[in-house]
Amino acid sequence: AQKITQTQPGMFVQEKEAVTLDCTYDTSDPSYGLFWYKQPSSGEMIFLIYQGSYDQQNATEGRYSLNFQKARKSANLVISASQLGDSAMYFCAMRGNSGYSTLTFGKGTMLLVSP
Amino acid sequence: EAGVVQSPRYKIIEKKQPVAFWCNPISGHNTLYWYRQNLGQGPELLIRYENEEAVDDSQLPKDRFSAERLKGVDSTLKIQPAELGDSAVYLCASSLGQGLYNEQFFGPGTRLTVL
Repeated sequence: AQKITQTQPGMFVQEKEAVTLDCTYDTSDPSYGLFWYKQPSSGEMIFLIYQGSYDQQNATEGRYSLNFQKARKSANLVISASQLGDSAMYFCAMRGNSGYSTLTFGKGTMLLVSP
Repeated sequence: EAGVVQSPRYKIIEKKQPVAFWCNPISGHNTLYWYRQNLGQGPELLIRYENEEAVDDSQLPKDRFSAERLKGVDSTLKIQPAELGDSAVYLCASSLGQGLYNEQFFGPGTRLTVL
């Protein structure tokens, strides 16, 4: 079984500052993938970044980076230079080999960016 | 390229009534998913299709929920009869394959309210 834990129900950050959204996971699969999605109020889930369990380097995509600490089973999302448009729900998710294509999501973190 | 299309965007019905949701995936995507997202939670998989075959429907409440994907393209999810607890957002997603990294593209969802 796979489990994703996001312990921060909400986070506040000022525009242009960096913010870290926490995610810890649990799986018995030796190989797995970790994802972050953004869900604005419009409802659509937007893919942000992916980290494979055997990737040597932490993933980066523009202002998004993933702080992957395999031994601690954590995959925190770092957003640099926050923008007002970053205000949304953020979900951490994972998929393992035994789970095949099924994505397991956490409960999400609501991020509010203030001017 | 058009994204995943869902309709309707919103639906309000009374309990015990039937309801149906429609999804058109991204052209060429052979894998289609239906998720349910309860308020304050992450999405949970209901059913996954590979082409026209339902390969994972273990989380689908089969006494009242049904789904089909005729010709391996569009899909319909039906609830009959609806219950108060079915109020949620129903998300459709599609992907090209089923590997560890296969980005799932989500539609905007259908927000169902059962009165």
